[in-house]
Order: sequence, then structure tokens, then C-alpha cells
Amino acid sequence: GDSVTQMEGPVTLSEEAFLTINCTYTATGYPSLFWYVQYPGEGLQLLLKATKADDKGSNKGFEATYRKETTSFHLEKGSVQVSDSAVYFCALSPPGGGNKLTFGTGTQLKVEL
Amino acid sequence: ETGVTQTPRHLVMGMTNKKSLKCEQHLGHNAMYWYKQSAKKPLELMFVYSLEERVENNSVPSRFSPECPNSSHLFLHLHTLQPEDSALYLCASSLAGTAYNEQFFGPGTRLTVL
Repeated sequence: GDSVTQMEGPVTLSEEAFLTINCTYTATGYPSLFWYVQYPGEGLQLLLKATKADDKGSNKGFEATYRKETTSFHLEKGSVQVSDSAVYFCALSPPGGGNKLTFGTGTQLKVEL
Repeated sequence: ETGVTQTPRHLVMGMTNKKSLKCEQHLGHNAMYWYKQSAKKPLELMFVYSLEERVENNSVPSRFSPECPNSSHLFLHLHTLQPEDSALYLCASSLAGTAYNEQFFGPGTRLTVL
């Protein structure tokens, strides 16, 4: 079945550091890929998405590129802020949509001054 | 109200109580979901309703009973829960039939079972 693997956290960075959170997936065909973010005490918010190979999703300075050849969708940001501290979830939806969204286990990011 | 709302935000209940969680979406979606989020565990999909019909039930104990009276509202009825049911319960909605399943989440209900 479909699966998503994320790097384990917590990831601790200093403000203005470069961020990479790795995400790889296993799925048939061309799934849609998502990054969700969960701030403390809140639900999940969609951060960005990509629906086909080589697409780059971007939002709020975050980027991720859909790499079919490496089945990856790594999240990057050039300069993190304290306000980026949250848990980040990678997820996939099978080709054609459907009702199932498969999530990774989440990676906690802590940004310090 | 906009997006997906959930009430209550926090709930403490005893093992013999009966309570209900409520979710409402204001996005014009026609699919709704209940998830359970426990510490140190992946997000668990509990129930899916699409066009007001339950289309998925992931082996959830019968002490959890969902209800979807219309496409905007979703309930989770709780009775005789166990302490291990303490978790954050998240509701989500999406537009069924689209090419990709982009789900929008509510803020969650933090449930504590004593």
C-alpha cells in the first residue's frame, strides 16, 4: 500500500538557518503530494502541494519539488524564523483523488534565537 | 464562520459519560473525515463520509459512533471510553470527485478520558 516516510525529529535550528525536511513516498502511478503544518494547539494547515512530477509547490518561503525519479518531496526554506516552529507532515493522495490521504509521522521543527 | 470549525475545543470526560464532538465546514465540501492524533503516533483515519454516506470505517471500536446528517455537519458520539482514547480528534473536509484529495482541517478537540 501507499506509505510516506519522513525524517525523525525534532529538528532544532537557529533563526535564519536553512531548513530541509526529507520526505519519500511509496505509491503506484503519480500521486498528489502535500505538506501540512501544525502549530502548537492547532489543527493541520495545508502549506503547499504538487500534483505532477517536477511541479514545485511554494508558500510562505517554503518550497518542495515533486521528484518522481527519487520518489521524494523534500521541504526546504532558505531562512527559518522562530514563528516556523511547528510540526510538519508530508502526505500523499493516490492518482485520481479518492478519499484517502496517507500521512507521514510528522517532523517537529524548533527554531531558536 | 469560515473554514472548518470544531466544538468543543477541550473535553474532559469520565469513562461512563456520553458526549459528542461536533464539526462544521463552511467550504461547500461534500466529504468529511474524523482523525485521531495521539502523541508519538501517526495520524489515524477513523471515518470518512462522502456525499453523506459512510465510505470508510477503519476498524474503530464501537464506543465511537459517527453521524453525518448533511454535507456540512459531522458528529462523533462517544460513550464508555477508555483512558487510551485520550487524544486530539481532528475533523477535515474536502471536495469529493476532484483529481486530488486536498483536505482542510479544523483546530481539533483535545479529549481527556479520566
